[in-house]
Amino acid sequence: NAGVTQTPKFRILKIGQSMTLQCAQDMNHNYMYWYRQDPGMGLKLIYYSVGAGITDKGEVPNGYNVSRSTTEDFPLRLELAAPSQTSVYFCASKNSLAAYNEQFFGPGTRLTVL
Amino acid sequence: GNSVTQMEGPVTLSEEAFLTINCTYTATGYPSLFWYVQYPGEGLQLLLKATKADDKGSNKGFEATYRKETTSFHLEKGSVQVSDSAVYFCALTIFYGQNFVFGPGTRLSVLP
Repeated sequence: NAGVTQTPKFRILKIGQSMTLQCAQDMNHNYMYWYRQDPGMGLKLIYYSVGAGITDKGEVPNGYNVSRSTTEDFPLRLELAAPSQTSVYFCASKNSLAAYNEQFFGPGTRLTVL
Repeated sequence: GNSVTQMEGPVTLSEEAFLTINCTYTATGYPSLFWYVQYPGEGLQLLLKATKADDKGSNKGFEATYRKETTSFHLEKGSVQVSDSAVYFCALTIFYGQNFVFGPGTRLSVLP
């Protein structure tokens, strides 16, 4: 199993550009999450999904969009990049069928908006 | 609401020193508690977990005991190594809960 994979690893965007951060998991997990981690800070939840076709906002959803058409994939879309979106983005997944299972994290995408 | 509080970092220790990183929580329901570790340039990895009161989670020489009476889950290690330098996050989730609550993280630096 590859676990949770994310692409790209690094990206530099200009203000106003758009991009999609890819996330995939091969563990058949229902729950998937997007977090951002600003330098020296903890994690903030952007969006999450409890299954294909179902998404919901987290703590900091403004400026982002998500979709979940399959169990495996959960892409995060930035429409009009702003310097405030410079951050490291982590995708995570969790098995919904176990009471106390942990979240599994991808390696992250480091995004810089100039 | 649910929340996690961790001791402020950074924490700097010499190799073979004793480590404690404090974590306290507030939660409704029956939380399960976790410690995650983030090595430089990497994602978070589960270090250990405990699912009910008085459970002790342990891994790689690290331990933490779920204390319901003090709502705490302090991380300890008897003798740290340079390779333990990382950021440590305390987290909780509620029974079958979909979302986790993470603490702000504590950066540990271990000097040779």
